[in-house]
Order: sequence, then structure tokens, then C-alpha cells
Amino acid sequence: AQSVTQLDSHVSVSEGTPVLLRCNYSSSYSPSLFWYVQHPNKGLQLLLKYTSAATLVKGINGFEAEFKKSETSFHLTKPSAHMSDAAEYFCVVSPPNTGNQFYFGTGTSLTVIP
Amino acid sequence: GAVVSQHPSWVICKSGTSVKIECRSLDFQATTMFWYRQFPKQSLMLMATSNEGSKATYEQGVEKDKFLINHASLTLSTLTVTSAHPEDSSFYICSARVGGYSYEQYFGPGTRLTVT
Repeated sequence: AQSVTQLDSHVSVSEGTPVLLRCNYSSSYSPSLFWYVQHPNKGLQLLLKYTSAATLVKGINGFEAEFKKSETSFHLTKPSAHMSDAAEYFCVVSPPNTGNQFYFGTGTSLTVIP
Repeated sequence: GAVVSQHPSWVICKSGTSVKIECRSLDFQATTMFWYRQFPKQSLMLMATSNEGSKATYEQGVEKDKFLINHASLTLSTLTVTSAHPEDSSFYICSARVGGYSYEQYFGPGTRLTVT
């Protein structure tokens, strides 16, 4: 069975401070992993993806994530939060041999305090 | 590149009527398209997977006679909500996959359906 757990439903940080959004996955085989961002009334935008290449993945807007197989984690980080980062973030797992099905986490709402 | 559009972006319909939502891949051919449903403040739930020219595969608990999916071409998939009821009110999002070794899905902006 495959699933993804986002450990925090809401995260609040001050502008200029680091961001950490946590994600743990469960998959029988090495999956592909993604982080998507959803701004209010906007479509989902891909931040970054892991597909069995380098374990440290760099994405857009200064975000990065590290795949840790031993911890079954794929946490999203950013060194310095910007006001425009306030949005909903989804961690997604796509196990192999599932026809590229995506399984979404429950989402983490990020608030950036000025 | 890799833009997916949805039409309409917002629709209100009366209970008992049907409504069709279109999903188009604008600059690529999508061998597979997916339909998701998102309730307020919740995550996306996969409803069905459709491959061009074949019948859609529905997730457990999704009524295939209520949510009709057609993927007639490599750039267009449609979702028709038949005999809509207020509980069908939701945000419907489609995505498209290029195919081959690409794992990435490109998402449309979503359609908000309100059934009165």
C-alpha cells in the first residue's frame, strides 16, 4: 500500500526565516515524489520532483527537498521565507507500476508573517 | 510549455441537471488524463484515470454512471456530472501526462461547481 503523510496541517513562519514542511511516505517500492504548491484560486504548480536520481532535489523559488529512504521522508525546505510563499503545499507520491497515479498528502498551509 | 486548461472555471447549476467540464492540453499531447476532486481545505482525491480512446478507470467509491468521462482525443478530456446534487458541489481538477517515461502530471486550474 502507498500513502503520504504531511505531518503539519499548518505552519507559520516569519518572513526571512527558514521553512520546513514535513512529508513521510509509505510505498512498497521506490516511488517518485513531488511537491506541489497551490495558491488561492490558482492551479497546482510543481515545485520539485524526485525520480531516483540525486537525493537532494532543488526546485523553483529557492525550495529544495531531500529524499531519505531510511527515514521514508521527503521534507521540503527553504532557507528564507518570502511573503509570496504563503500557500497550500502538497506532497505527492507516485509508486512505480501504478500507471503514474498520484497520491496526495492532506496538505500543509504555510503562513508567512511580515 | 505543458499548459492545461479547464473550462468553465466556475459553474452553477440546478439540482437534477447535468454539467460538462472540459480539460485540454494546449501545447502537448496527453496520453493519460486524470480527474481529481478537492473539497474545501482538503486534499485532492483521484476520481478516475482516462487514456485516449479507451474507457476510464474509476477509483473505488466513484460512481461511473454519475461522473462520465470521455477522452476522445489526445488533447481533450471531458467530465460530465449527471443529475447533479448539492453534495456534488466541489472543486474539480484535471491533470495530463505526456506519456513515455515522464512521471510528471500537469494540472489545470480547476473548475468550481456549485449545485443549488
